[in-house]
Amino acid sequence: KAGVTQTPRYLIKTRGQQVTLSCSPISGHRSVSWYQQTPGQGLQFLFEYFSETQRNKGNFPGRFSGRQFSNSRSEMNVSTLELGDSALYLCASSLVSGQGGPGAFFGQGTRLTVV
Amino acid sequence: GEDVEQSLFLSVREGDSSVINCTYTDSSSTYLYWYKQEPGAGLQLLTYIFSNMDMKQDQRLTVLLNKKDKHLSLRIADTQTGDSAIYFCAVAGSQGNLIFGKGTKLSVKP
Repeated sequence: KAGVTQTPRYLIKTRGQQVTLSCSPISGHRSVSWYQQTPGQGLQFLFEYFSETQRNKGNFPGRFSGRQFSNSRSEMNVSTLELGDSALYLCASSLVSGQGGPGAFFGQGTRLTVV
Repeated sequence: GEDVEQSLFLSVREGDSSVINCTYTDSSSTYLYWYKQEPGAGLQLLTYIFSNMDMKQDQRLTVLLNKKDKHLSLRIADTQTGDSAIYFCAVAGSQGNLIFGKGTKLSVKP
């Protein structure tokens, strides 16, 4: 069974640009969550999508958005990039939304560097 | 708000047992988790424990849960150099998302 696939693995962008990251969950998983990992703040929840609907959202500005397609693949978009957006962005896939399931499975992440 | 705390570093000798501790503030989490992150990699789900259990053993891993004290620990028996990584404790938040500790960096000396 294939794991969670995130593309691209690495990205370098300039301040002010926008970026789109992609995540393909484990086959059969309908929930996709996104997390930002930085040395200072650690792992922070961005949002969760389940059956193409945003279920939950963390405390991030509106520049961070996402969507989920009918095949459960998800994309995350960050507009007007700032230096502070440099981070490892992790996608997690799980069978169900919320606390109904025993754990989420993570991809390898996309390392975004904003210069 | 919900918070998870872990010590930042742990150093052990190869063959010894490692114990990584975690405390949390929210007690409503149905499951509590341990994840492992190796350099340049994503998070690997190591194990989890259901909130009505006290202990779970999975090969070299033992998870202990003290709900009264809101304390979770991960014991790795016969620690190997390949176990060197950052270990994250996580609980499910009120929105169903995972809330992580800052991670404990485990260094295993040969």
